[in-house]
Amino acid sequence: AQSVAQPEDQVNVAEGNPLTVKCTYSVSGNPYLFWYVQYPNRGLQFLLKYITGDNLVKGSYGFEAEFNKSQTSFHLKKPSALVSDSALYFCAVRDSNAGGTSYGKLTFGQGTILTVHP
Amino acid sequence: DGGITQSPKYLFRKEGQNVTLSCEQNLNHDAMYWYRQDPGQGLRLIYYSQIVNDFQKGDIAEGYSVSREKKESFPLTVTSAQKNPTAFYLCASSIRQRDIQPQHFGDGTRLSIL
Repeated sequence: AQSVAQPEDQVNVAEGNPLTVKCTYSVSGNPYLFWYVQYPNRGLQFLLKYITGDNLVKGSYGFEAEFNKSQTSFHLKKPSALVSDSALYFCAVRDSNAGGTSYGKLTFGQGTILTVHP
Repeated sequence: DGGITQSPKYLFRKEGQNVTLSCEQNLNHDAMYWYRQDPGQGLRLIYYSQIVNDFQKGDIAEGYSVSREKKESFPLTVTSAQKNPTAFYLCASSIRQRDIQPQHFGDGTRLSIL
């Protein structure tokens, strides 16, 4: 079975400081990893994905994420946080080995609320 | 602009009543999904469809039903058998399930019990 953990329910950071939102995963095969952002009463917006190749993935709005296979982690980062980055962030994983009715299924973490203070 | 439209934005259900949530996409995507979002629990998959006239149960299908008669449409019915239906429901689509492409999401329907 595949699973995702986001160990922090909330992350608080001052504007202009770097931010990190943590994500760890568990899959049987190779992971396909995604980050999404959700603003209040809205759907999820795709930020970035890791499929294969370079461990540092760059995405939308200045976000990036680092894939670490040995630590089974895919932490989201941004060098300088903005107040407008305040939102709910979801990490999701898909197992390359999943078959049958689980084929292509995405599993989401429980989400991390990011608050950037002025 | 292409996207996913969910309606209504807010919905109220009476005891014993079935309600249907609409999801329409004009992205020409083959795959469509329904998720339920509860505070602190992330998103849980209710049903998904890879192609017209085909759909599969997700992790929490009990008390829900779907149909996929057209490529653009994937309505979700919350039946009276769903005892705790209060949640935020999100519809999503992707090009094809086998492709490793991100899912696109609608803006959700918030369902509450009267």
